[in-house]
Amino acid sequence: QKEVEQDPGPLSVPEGAIVSLNCTYSNSAFQYFMWYRQYSRKGPELLMYTYSSGNKEDGRFTAQVDKSSKYISLFIRDSQPSDSATYLCATSTSGTYKYIFGTGTRLKVLA
Amino acid sequence: DSGVTQTPKHLITATGQRVTLRCSPRSGDLSVYWYQQSLDQGLQFLIHYYNGEERAKGNILERFSAQQFPDLHSELNLSSLELGDSALYFCASSRARGSYEQYFGPGTRLTVT
Repeated sequence: QKEVEQDPGPLSVPEGAIVSLNCTYSNSAFQYFMWYRQYSRKGPELLMYTYSSGNKEDGRFTAQVDKSSKYISLFIRDSQPSDSATYLCATSTSGTYKYIFGTGTRLKVLA
Repeated sequence: DSGVTQTPKHLITATGQRVTLRCSPRSGDLSVYWYQQSLDQGLQFLIHYYNGEERAKGNILERFSAQQFPDLHSELNLSSLELGDSALYFCASSRARGSYEQYFGPGTRLTVT
């Protein structure tokens, strides 16, 4: 079993839709949770990171962590065609400097 | 543009060969991380260097090695290459020793034939 599981998609939504991207993880020691966006033929870029449980909002993006169910989510409001990319979740434990990534979910926002 | 540079962009080589991938971090960043991305395994953390010293190892094979030089650029050496080593190799950098705010380079695509 992988430490971080992510549905590969692709997930296709119409422009303006609310998108929900999700990951599950197995190690309860994970404390830091990140979401990266990766466009085709590019390196990943950090969207958001959160520590422990709770929500964090940045513009159209909201990251949510539920440590009790080991579930992390990224919500994208008012999705745009420019949001079409692969979204990677990642986790880490404090002080280990090791980062575990999900395999990514491919998102397509249709104009 | 993240400010992280990687060379070469593409590399095609034969099984059994050795290659060196190079990474220059963003100006002022002391940490360098190496990752391998393949279709079936996703993005795998390989190794982390901070200011010239190795800080963490992930799923890095013994055939692979890395170092960070005094000018902070880093090299990833891959030897005795196998077909399964074909992948995208990314370098990322951050200011701090272990930061979740990592800036990724454009990657080096390695093809082993």
